[in-house]
Amino acid sequence: AQSVSQHNHHVILSEAASLELGCNYSYGGTVNLFWYVQYPGQHLQLLLKYFSGDPLVKGIKGFEAEFIKSKFSFNLRKPSVQWSDTAEYFCAVGSGGYQKVTFGIGTKLQVIP
Amino acid sequence: DAGITQSPRHKVTETGTPVTLRCHQTENHRYMYWYRQDPGHGLRLIHYSYGVKDTDKGEVSDGYSVSRSKTEDFLLTLESATSSQTSVYFCATSSGGGTGGFYEQYFGPGTRLTVT
Repeated sequence: AQSVSQHNHHVILSEAASLELGCNYSYGGTVNLFWYVQYPGQHLQLLLKYFSGDPLVKGIKGFEAEFIKSKFSFNLRKPSVQWSDTAEYFCAVGSGGYQKVTFGIGTKLQVIP
Repeated sequence: DAGITQSPRHKVTETGTPVTLRCHQTENHRYMYWYRQDPGHGLRLIHYSYGVKDTDKGEVSDGYSVSRSKTEDFLLTLESATSSQTSVYFCATSSGGGTGGFYEQYFGPGTRLTVT
């Protein structure tokens, strides 16, 4: 069975600081990788996804993620965070049938103005 | 945003009572999912559906059942609610295109359920 590990459960940054959230997965086959974001009081929405091709993926709101197959990692980055990036971020892995994905436990990001 | 609604949005119920949560989509997506979200656990899959009347268990299915009689509706039933089922429940859908690869899941607004 696949699993997803998010290393940082709670991150606090000042505005303009750079962000990197770690995500590692365990699955030996072909995977599809996602980052979702959940703003306070809202539902999850997709930030970015990787299916194949260029391992550096760009998403919405200036976020990007890099797939490193040898490290089973898909870390999320943003060069300069804003207060509006305060949210919970979930890494997810999809593999196998029925379009099922496995989510990590999430990382809460708090950006201080 | 995809047209996914959940009802009710909030519910308080007593231990031992049955509860049904409804997910309704207007996207004609084939796949539908029920998750629960709990602090420290992220999202965990309860049940999913890959077509009308086609459902299967997820990782935390004990105490829950589902039904899907129409493409647009996916019902989650707590057969006899317990305090451990106090959670936020999210429905999600996915189109699951035929060319392979994974498609993003679209989430509903969630239902906050409290079992007293």
